[in-house]
Amino acid sequence: DIQMTQSPASLSASLEEIVTITCQASQDIGNWLAWYQQKPGKSPQLLIYGATSLADGVPSRFSGSRSGTQYSLKISRLQVEDPGIYYCLQGYSALWTFGGGTKLELK
Amino acid sequence: QVQMKETGPGLVQTTQTLSVTCTVSGFSLTSYGVHWVRQAPGKGLEWMGIIWGDGSTNYNSALKSRLSISRDTSKSQVFLTMNSLQTDDTAVYYCAVLTMGTRDYWGQGVMVTVSS
Repeated sequence: DIQMTQSPASLSASLEEIVTITCQASQDIGNWLAWYQQKPGKSPQLLIYGATSLADGVPSRFSGSRSGTQYSLKISRLQVEDPGIYYCLQGYSALWTFGGGTKLELK
Repeated sequence: QVQMKETGPGLVQTTQTLSVTCTVSGFSLTSYGVHWVRQAPGKGLEWMGIIWGDGSTNYNSALKSRLSISRDTSKSQVFLTMNSLQTDDTAVYYCAVLTMGTRDYWGQGVMVTVSS
């Protein structure tokens, strides 16, 4: 099964700061990678699909990138509504897997 | 417009079997796969499995021996069945259409508590 190693597990950042979260895939998954944001008591919301494409209605301060089997989610200027837990998800193989999650808090 | 809603028992005894239903509207189950994802309290998301539009299924290797996903296309319902429940199966269970495309759709989730 493909493993997705997500880091960091948690981070604290200030408003307007740049934040980067990464997921390392255990093997090639091409661009079959999505990023989600989850807030307490809510279902996950899609941010990025195809590793780099912005989902409908998502602010442009969110972006995704890929370097080999490492994938990154960047928030260019952290806003007050951005804290939550972020997950990557690979959909390359028949068995999909989530990363372990990153808890983002405001400093 | 696509809607998905999970319904389940709320409380299940250990060693028993869990049955959760996902009722969908706004699309055909033969057109999209429906995933099941769960989240234990304070933990991350765990992909459980999928029933594809053609009716084939794939399961998380760790759950495969206990898990079954089926559907009734005439009722637009997808069923999750998992046996031999233990307390660590306590979780919110979500059904979702995950397209790896510009949009996807999630239910609100249903909390299931496994208790002895």
